[in-house]
Amino acid sequence: DAKTTQPNSMESNEEEPVHLPCNHSTISGTDYIHWYRQLPSQGPEYVIHGLTSNVNNRMASLAIAEDRKSSTLILHRATLRDAAVYYCILRGGNQGGKLIFGQGTELSVKP
Amino acid sequence: NAGVTQTPKFRILKIGQSMTLQCTQDMNHNYMYWYRQDPGMGLKLIYYSVGAGITDKGEVPNGYNVSRSTTEDFPLRLELAAPSQTSVYFCASSVAGGTYEQYFGPGTRLTVT
Repeated sequence: DAKTTQPNSMESNEEEPVHLPCNHSTISGTDYIHWYRQLPSQGPEYVIHGLTSNVNNRMASLAIAEDRKSSTLILHRATLRDAAVYYCILRGGNQGGKLIFGQGTELSVKP
Repeated sequence: NAGVTQTPKFRILKIGQSMTLQCTQDMNHNYMYWYRQDPGMGLKLIYYSVGAGITDKGEVPNGYNVSRSTTEDFPLRLELAAPSQTSVYFCASSVAGGTYEQYFGPGTRLTVT
């Protein structure tokens, strides 16, 4: 399974944008880049995913490098509720849907 | 629409005891998963199922058993509990495999002493 590398922790101020990086230099051509987040004492929740093009949804944006070896999750205006552990996960179509979690990035948001 | 529900929320077991963690989803999802999360770590897959009657091992299946007799339910059985099984257990479901979003339950916090 292709691995991802994320910083252990990041800090942000409320109402400012946050850029969460992820490196995946061994990504294969069929791997999708997924992001999940886990709020304190809760199960993970889906945030966004993409293959090659940048993606936007109501929660966040995903910027994917042209060579696909890195990506960035963008929260446009951080709120206190966005404090969570963010996981960057690669998923190939032949993995039976399994998610392989790393340690993620713990994001703290200061008021 | 409750999504994925898990019971119990908390449980303390003595070493050698057995128990079943319950998981139910009401979204008619074919795929279901069990993960465990140790303190400060990411989730690890224990078992998964791609449909009723079909189960397969994940990364850390030892000490656990599963069954899938209906689409809705995917119980996880712990036989002969050990302190190493102290963890938070999450159940998840998805429409299918591939890149479909997984929906997670709230978790069961298990302590084995």
